[in-house]
Amino acid sequence: IAGITQAPTSQILAAGRRMTLRCTQDMRHNAMYWYRQDLGLGLRLIHYSNTAGTTGKGEVPDGYSVSRANTDDFPLTLASAVPSQTSVYFCASSGESNQPQHFGDGTRLSIL
Amino acid sequence: QKEVEQDPGPLSVPEGAIVSLNCTYSNSAFQYFMWYRQYSRKGPELLMYTYSSGNKEDGRFTAQVDKSSKYISLFIRDSQPSDSATYLCAMSATSTGGFKTIFGAGTRLFVKA
Repeated sequence: IAGITQAPTSQILAAGRRMTLRCTQDMRHNAMYWYRQDLGLGLRLIHYSNTAGTTGKGEVPDGYSVSRANTDDFPLTLASAVPSQTSVYFCASSGESNQPQHFGDGTRLSIL
Repeated sequence: QKEVEQDPGPLSVPEGAIVSLNCTYSNSAFQYFMWYRQYSRKGPELLMYTYSSGNKEDGRFTAQVDKSSKYISLFIRDSQPSDSATYLCAMSATSTGGFKTIFGAGTRLFVKA
């Protein structure tokens, strides 16, 4: 089934640890995105990539990094996790950056 | 002022009712208008989208855009318990580096059997 796969589905992590959230899409979409969703704040864009080899900063990029080595994969790394990064993280993709986005089912991350 | 405002609800209706979900926005540059449905512990699912203004219908769902009032709506006819979810509006416009998409905070809908 075509779509976006995120891994892991959930994770509990000690503060200070490094963590990479994985995202893979099989729709050959050019644009990919990472969001965090927090109660009362909605979806906030962390980083995006309009095409393979390029990335950009979103609304809340601090503490996160991304890479886009190929079309399908867009991993999100927390270099040194802090409790305020406890959230649900969603990866999304769209054919081009001006088209509606399609989402994965998220990673629930708890930083203790 | 937030770029997109959406009443968080919750909105509770009986089965079979017509549901109206709404968002207002402030940026007149928005061109694409989208509605997503999100079930608990799932990702947002694209329901409908429109470009510029006007109406779009898909089964029991109708999306309306009024650019003059900066107001968009999603109507659900003959609502079902399976429609119980959080509904997110979203809008996008050109921005430095590409397009910018802004999401509403979501309205929680409960349809009672």
